[in-house]
Amino acid sequence: EDKVVQSPLSLVVHEGDTVTLNCSYEVTNFRSLLWYKQEKKAPTFLFMLTSSGIEKKSGRLSSILDKKELFSILNITATQTGDSAIYLCARSGSGTYKYIFGTGTRLKVLA
Amino acid sequence: NAGVTQTPKFQVLKTGQSMTLQCAQDMNHNSMYWYRQDPGMGLRLIYYSASEGTTDKGEVPNGYNVSRLNKREFSLRLESAAPSQTSVYFCASSLAGVAPYNEQFFGPGTRLTVL
Repeated sequence: EDKVVQSPLSLVVHEGDTVTLNCSYEVTNFRSLLWYKQEKKAPTFLFMLTSSGIEKKSGRLSSILDKKELFSILNITATQTGDSAIYLCARSGSGTYKYIFGTGTRLKVLA
Repeated sequence: NAGVTQTPKFQVLKTGQSMTLQCAQDMNHNSMYWYRQDPGMGLRLIYYSASEGTTDKGEVPNGYNVSRLNKREFSLRLESAAPSQTSVYFCASSLAGVAPYNEQFFGPGTRLTVL
């Protein structure tokens, strides 16, 4: 099964900064790409992207999928210390309901 | 609704011992999943069950077995634990079907240490 690659692996920023997290993958045929935030325990859902070029937005977070270039980005503007977490992206397998996760980006926001 | 629950929260085993991790969901979801998470490795799929009565291997199934007991419950069994199975185990579920029903909901995790 192909990989899902996230970059950077880790990132340290100061409050108020804007960050862009990247998720790239290798296949073109899949149902959905998901973004999760993981603090201390279980991942919590952020976004589901199914169509290329359509931005999903929730407060300071936004995400977009580019199916032609095979990547997705997660943007966080005006970062806060509460944004410190591991951010995971996952691509659904083609024709199945299983998901392949990337290794995650560890974000630390300093006060 | 409790969502996805897992038991136990923590477990320490000796090499060669067996145990079963339990998972239950009360959201009437069709699909259930078991993942393990190791430092620097992200979440890796062990087994999944697309619907009641079916199970399929994921990326790292060796050393594990699963049972989809009914629609609510999906258990993961380690028959002969090895130190390489030391990890945090997450169960997840999703309604499944055509998007947007693919969102996965995760349980709180089980931290397993094999000595």
